[in-house]
Amino acid sequence: DTGVSQDPRHKITKRGQNVTFRCDPISEHNRLYWYRQTLGQGPEFLTYFQNEAQLEKSRLLSDRFSAERPKGSFSTLEIQRTEQGDSAMYLCASSLPGVRGTEAFFGQGTRLTVV
Amino acid sequence: KQEVTQIPAALSVPEGENLVLNCSFTDSAIYNLQWFRQDPGKGLTSLLLIQSSQREQTSGRLNASLDKSSGRSTLYIAASQPGDSATYLCAVGEGSARQLTFGSGTQLTVLP
Repeated sequence: DTGVSQDPRHKITKRGQNVTFRCDPISEHNRLYWYRQTLGQGPEFLTYFQNEAQLEKSRLLSDRFSAERPKGSFSTLEIQRTEQGDSAMYLCASSLPGVRGTEAFFGQGTRLTVV
Repeated sequence: KQEVTQIPAALSVPEGENLVLNCSFTDSAIYNLQWFRQDPGKGLTSLLLIQSSQREQTSGRLNASLDKSSGRSTLYIAASQPGDSATYLCAVGEGSARQLTFGSGTQLTVLP
């Protein structure tokens, strides 16, 4: 078990370009989350998958953002027409199922810089 | 809307000191509370998870307590070490997705 893996670790892109990030959760975890963290703040929830179904989306997730988890394993987060305000750390987390929620394990994040 | 507050925002202590980090939340309808550690530029490392029905959890030199009715949690670190220097984040699990709502963290520096 290598933990939650995210790729790339860093991405620099020009404003207006599209970017895609990948997350590989811990293998037996059916819950997968995306969060965004800006400097000096705690992470903010973006979206949630249970297996392949996207069940929850935050109001922070504008229509330029799309996330998928096609086979209930890895997930991708795409940002279209990037803006400077999208610069942040994008974090993926996974957890086991449980009525009360279970321990969330985070990846190392993808640092996005929009220039 | 849930608000999570962590006080103090920054703390500097000499090595060996015992310390307490505080976390408060406004809505007690939570499923759990989790404490994390974050090193600069890195992801989050889970330290302790307390379910809403529990009062405390311990792991090594760390002890976390939860008082759900008053909306408070504390993280106690015993015999602090320079390697404990990091930002400590608390987060409450809530909602149908059990998603986490985070505080802004306490930046801890342990001086050798």
